[in-house]
Amino acid sequence: GESVGLHLPTLSVQEGDNSIINCAYSNSASDYFIWYKQESGKGPQFIIDIRSNMDKRQGQRVTVLLNKTVKHLSLQIAATQPGDSAVYFCAENPTSGTYKYIFGTGTRLKVLA
Amino acid sequence: DGGITQSPKYLFRKEGQNVTLSCEQNLNHDAMYWYRQDPGQGLRLIYYSQIVNDFQKGDIAEGYSVSREKKESFPLTVTSAQKNPTAFYLCASSPRRGVGNEQFFGPGTRLTVL
Repeated sequence: GESVGLHLPTLSVQEGDNSIINCAYSNSASDYFIWYKQESGKGPQFIIDIRSNMDKRQGQRVTVLLNKTVKHLSLQIAATQPGDSAVYFCAENPTSGTYKYIFGTGTRLKVLA
Repeated sequence: DGGITQSPKYLFRKEGQNVTLSCEQNLNHDAMYWYRQDPGQGLRLIYYSQIVNDFQKGDIAEGYSVSREKKESFPLTVTSAQKNPTAFYLCASSPRRGVGNEQFFGPGTRLTVL
């Protein structure tokens, strides 16, 4: 199987509970952030994004919170389901004039039945 | 059915061979990217292209080459000069040039050197 995700921090939650996944980003000048979900052996799937002029954005069952003061991003998943089990990682897009993204290493979410 | 396709899903290469990974998108996106993913690491940028006939080196371009002759296609060649090519390769695209744009990924190609 896909070996990406070995030795990643793991968050285990009970089905139906809420999950909170955290990400510390590196560049204080970054003004755009994305959360991705990656299932084993597959490409990352775009979940939700947020720009630096916001501190919260909600999607379907997901909420992203941005704290620019401490360079912290979090992803909240409501009523976690078995299908949410995956590796989640954040990406930041610096405003340095490049088109590069900086990706976190990710957190593995395990949903317990 | 719009999206990003990568082929093949699995690729095996003998040492000393060059191989080319395909990436096609029908989203009419301007920018395309190639990343490498290794266990326990964040995605690392190999090459990116903002527009047809133009591309830029990323952080780990050595041993790789690309072309962007068509808007929808951005193939990656892994040459024999790449010392440790076994990895999961991801292609991505963004709708517009410029920072602060969504980036969408293909399903990936797993390359194994025998």
